[in-house]
Amino acid sequence: KNEVEQSPQNLTAQEGEFITINCSYSVGISALHWLQQHPGGGIVSLFMLSSGKKKHGRLIATINIQEKHSSLHITASHPRDSAVYICAASQGAQKLVFGQGTRLTINP
Amino acid sequence: NAGVMQNPRHLVRRRGQEARLRCSPMKGHSHVYWYRQLPEEGLKFMVYLQKENIIDESGMPKERFSAEFPKEGPSILRIQQVVRGDSAAYFCASSPRVWAGSYNEQFFGPGTRLTVL
Repeated sequence: KNEVEQSPQNLTAQEGEFITINCSYSVGISALHWLQQHPGGGIVSLFMLSSGKKKHGRLIATINIQEKHSSLHITASHPRDSAVYICAASQGAQKLVFGQGTRLTINP
Repeated sequence: NAGVMQNPRHLVRRRGQEARLRCSPMKGHSHVYWYRQLPEEGLKFMVYLQKENIIDESGMPKERFSAEFPKEGPSILRIQQVVRGDSAAYFCASSPRVWAGSYNEQFFGPGTRLTVL
């Protein structure tokens, strides 16, 4: 079992739908990251959080430390949101442990 | 302020050759991390370096791989005698000085796509 698990692995939705991607971790962490990776492209850090909730535009990230669970939400989804979303936990000497990623496709 | 820079962006090597991947961290950042993404797999930690020091190399293969971050110049990930299984995207990330008990956000470079023929 991976230390960081994401679900679903693949998600296809229609433009405008509310999107939720889940992340569970089994290790102690100092922070939880949500990253975005476009096909053939680099990696962008969306959020880093250690408690509560953060919002940036249409993106919202939440974390429940007691339950070791985090969610990434996208409101009013758009085709340009299509990407792989990766959850990562930092532990120990600052290295990141990654989930396997969720491939999101938003159809117009 | 330029972001994390990696070069080359694409690198093709034949089996047995050496691959050198370079990473220039963001200005003011003294911590560098290397991650590898094998085809159709997730990202995996390789090594964490500070200037002139390797802090954590627990993710580095025991043979053929080495990394350095000299006092001057970029961090280098070196792969000797490459094999087809080394074909992957190699990402570098950097963060500023890390304070005890805290965590600093990592900023990723665009990656180097290594193809071994």
